[in-house]
Amino acid sequence: QKEVEQNSGPLSVPEGAIASLNCTYSDRGSQSFFWYRQYSGKSPELIMFIYSNGDKEDGRFTAQLNKASQYVSLLIRDSQPSDSATYLCAVTSSNDYKLSFGAGTTVTVRA
Amino acid sequence: DVKVTQSSRYLVKRTGEKVFLECVQDMDHENMFWYRQDPGLGLRLIYFSYDVKMKEKGDIPEGYSVSREKKERFSLILESASTNQTSMYLCASSLPGTRGASYNEQFFGPGTRLTVL
Repeated sequence: QKEVEQNSGPLSVPEGAIASLNCTYSDRGSQSFFWYRQYSGKSPELIMFIYSNGDKEDGRFTAQLNKASQYVSLLIRDSQPSDSATYLCAVTSSNDYKLSFGAGTTVTVRA
Repeated sequence: DVKVTQSSRYLVKRTGEKVFLECVQDMDHENMFWYRQDPGLGLRLIYFSYDVKMKEKGDIPEGYSVSREKKERFSLILESASTNQTSMYLCASSLPGTRGASYNEQFFGPGTRLTVL
């Protein structure tokens, strides 16, 4: 089992809709959770981080964390064509030394 | 703005050659990382350094070595390049954070696409 699993997609959503991305992780001791966005041919950039159970909102993005279920998600509201990218879920190891990445979910927003 | 630069965007080498990939950051970050990114596999950590002359192996260190002689510079070395090392190589840096090495945001360089023939 991979340490961090994501649906590879592609996930296609119409402009204005909500895109929902899911991520599960295997290390129950993980404490820090990140969502990175990577445009084609570019390097990853951080868009959200969450450390506590519950929801965290930042503009059109909401991260949700459920440590009991070892699940973290990202919601993109009012999706725009500029949101078309690959979204990487990243989770720290229990000793906070290593950041493990999922393979990413590719999102396409249709105009 | 945090800036992480990598020495080359594209590199083509032959099997058996020694390859140096350089990474420089200008934000005085203690932590620096080397990853490779392959389709379907995501980013995998090769090596990590939390201070000058300090290094830790990541998930896939075999066939690689690193050097950190100055705080701002972290080099990845392929002693004898092989075709299975053809990949996108990404360098990143971050502050150490009180909770540990990966607590803080990692800033990535533009990447080096290495092809080994």
